[in-house]
Amino acid sequence: GAGVSQSPSNKVTEKGKDVELRCDPISGHTALYWYRQSLGQGLEFLIYFQGNSAPDKSGLPSDRFSAERTGGSVSTLTIQRTQQEDSAVYLCASSLVAAGAAYEQYFGPGTRLTVT
Amino acid sequence: DQQVKQNSPSLSVQEGRISILNCDYTNSMFDYFLWYKKYPAEGPTFLISISSIKDKNEDGRFTVFLNKSAKHLSLHIVPSQPGDSAVYFCAAGGNRDDKIIFGKGTRLHILP
Repeated sequence: GAGVSQSPSNKVTEKGKDVELRCDPISGHTALYWYRQSLGQGLEFLIYFQGNSAPDKSGLPSDRFSAERTGGSVSTLTIQRTQQEDSAVYLCASSLVAAGAAYEQYFGPGTRLTVT
Repeated sequence: DQQVKQNSPSLSVQEGRISILNCDYTNSMFDYFLWYKKYPAEGPTFLISISSIKDKNEDGRFTVFLNKSAKHLSLHIVPSQPGDSAVYFCAAGGNRDDKIIFGKGTRLHILP
């Protein structure tokens, strides 16, 4: 398919475990974004990549959260020592360009994370 | 502090009538505004956008109006159809920034 894909679609984990979420952006898209949507909340910005570098990590909630992007393509979001408040839908989006131009971001279906 | 606010969590509209979704923002540096639509278990999809140099942008049944002095924008859907039932997110960004800020969304129900 040509869209943004994310895996897994659902993840249930025990408090204290580490989890890794994956995002495959649309081929050729240089910008990649991670968002989080908690119950009843809007889309909370986490981190943004332009190529493999992350100019803006300001949304990461704590140092338990990290993300990387390799080859200008796939990105992984890692949450260490998960807490119950980390339960949310984690959405990835990609776009052709970032600042100053097209803001149209294409979203994946999300990963629903439940921490028990 | 929410920079993009959608004060109505939900809205019900009769099929065929006009749906009006509202959004307010606080940051005067925002100069680009977007609406996204989200169905359950899917990611948001881009609907329509407007830049601050305009006060209206129309695409088929969807029209976005921007009132810069009031820091307010609205999305009009006319006529409303059953497939329009979804959550609508308002978002805003600045041309000198890399990210856009989303509101909490408004759930639109189109009644038969």
